Amino acid sequence: QSALTQPASVSGSPGQSITISCKGTSSDVGSYNLVSWYQQHPGKAPKLMIYEVTKRPSGISNRFSGSKSGNTASLTISGLQAEDEADYYCCSYAGSRNLGVFGGGTKLTVL
Amino acid sequence: EVQLVESGGGLVQPGGSLRLSCAASGFIFSSYEMNWVRQAPGKGLEWVSYISPSGSTIYYADSVKGRFTISRDNAKNLLYLQMNSLRAEDTAVYYCARIDFGSDDYWGQGTLVTVSS
Repeated sequence: QSALTQPASVSGSPGQSITISCKGTSSDVGSYNLVSWYQQHPGKAPKLMIYEVTKRPSGISNRFSGSKSGNTASLTISGLQAEDEADYYCCSYAGSRNLGVFGGGTKLTVL
Repeated sequence: EVQLVESGGGLVQPGGSLRLSCAASGFIFSSYEMNWVRQAPGKGLEWVSYISPSGSTIYYADSVKGRFTISRDNAKNLLYLQMNSLRAEDTAVYYCARIDFGSDDYWGQGTLVTVSS
């Protein structure tokens, strides 16, 4: 199972919006509405930000939103804040006989 | 409160073995799928292994197949990862994780495994 493809880095200024893409295949992202997004700060465990493509867990700001088109999922963060600076990973279900698959990660820098 | 606490990491020589443990609490352990996910220093996340609630279904990443064994003791609320024939490229933080692609998502703090002579 190949990793999902994410840009290595994105950046934005406070208050701006950014979007991180996550390109998969018809075997994972394209076949299931089971895409999650994780935020990871240095030295910390990943934290779930989005699940089932568009849903936010309790306590996650509505500045975070997810979408999907075909084999590509996206995470949008609006109203960027300094604390959003972190690594972001997408993750997709890949079928009942396979492990899930992660993206390579995207480093978000808030300028 | 759901808690996952990993232990057993450390420094091991190439070709050596190590067993990681994950102590689960705050939920009915025997009802949930469990996973091991690792992260090499400065790298991304890699899903290593999956085990079903009963232990009857198990999957491995190709990179560890034949060398790692996942298991669980539902009576003791423990998840294990037996790692044999370790290589330098297995050096990583290993996370125990309850992942169901829904909102019920929990990770431990991780345990560092370093494979080096």
